[in-house]
Amino acid sequence: QKEVEQDPGPLSVPEGAIVSLNCTYSNSAFQYFMWYRQYSRKGPELLMYTYSSGNKEDGRFTAQVDKSSKYISLFIRDSQPSDSATYLCAMSQIQGAQKLVFGQGTRLTINP
Amino acid sequence: EAGVVQSPRYKIIEKKQPVAFWCNPISGHNTLYWYRQNLGQGPELLIRYENEEAVDDSQLPKDRFSAERLKGVDSTLKIQPAELGDSAVYLCASSSWTTDTQYFGPGTRLTVL
Repeated sequence: QKEVEQDPGPLSVPEGAIVSLNCTYSNSAFQYFMWYRQYSRKGPELLMYTYSSGNKEDGRFTAQVDKSSKYISLFIRDSQPSDSATYLCAMSQIQGAQKLVFGQGTRLTINP
Repeated sequence: EAGVVQSPRYKIIEKKQPVAFWCNPISGHNTLYWYRQNLGQGPELLIRYENEEAVDDSQLPKDRFSAERLKGVDSTLKIQPAELGDSAVYLCASSSWTTDTQYFGPGTRLTVL
């Protein structure tokens, strides 16, 4: 069993829809949770960063962490075609960037 | 500020041939990572350098893969000989003690025929 599981999709929704992306994990020592966005033929770039349980909002994006359920989510409101990309969750036991464990990514397409 | 630079962007080789990838990290970043990303999968760490020291190479297939980071700046990842299963995107990333994220380059897409 992988430490981090992510539904690979693909996921296709109409423009303006609310998108929910999810990851589950098995290692209770994870404390730092990230979402990366990866456009086609590009490297991943950090989208959201959260520590421990709770919510964090940044514009149209909301990251949720539920450590009791070992479950994290990324919500995208008013989705746009430019949001079409692969979304990767990543987690770490320690602060800083040194040891990240990535999920397999969810490929998202927003249809105009 | 320039990002992480990788070359080449694409490489097609026949199996059993050698191949090398080059990475130039963001200036001032002391930590450098090499990842392999298979199609439809997330990045998997191959090796992590702190300055010029390889501190985590547990996932590097040492029978055919090697890496170096001379002078703690640029790095080269080599595969010799390449196998069909090595076809993937090889990503380089860098970070510093003050950053909470890794900054990724665009990757090198390797196809082994």
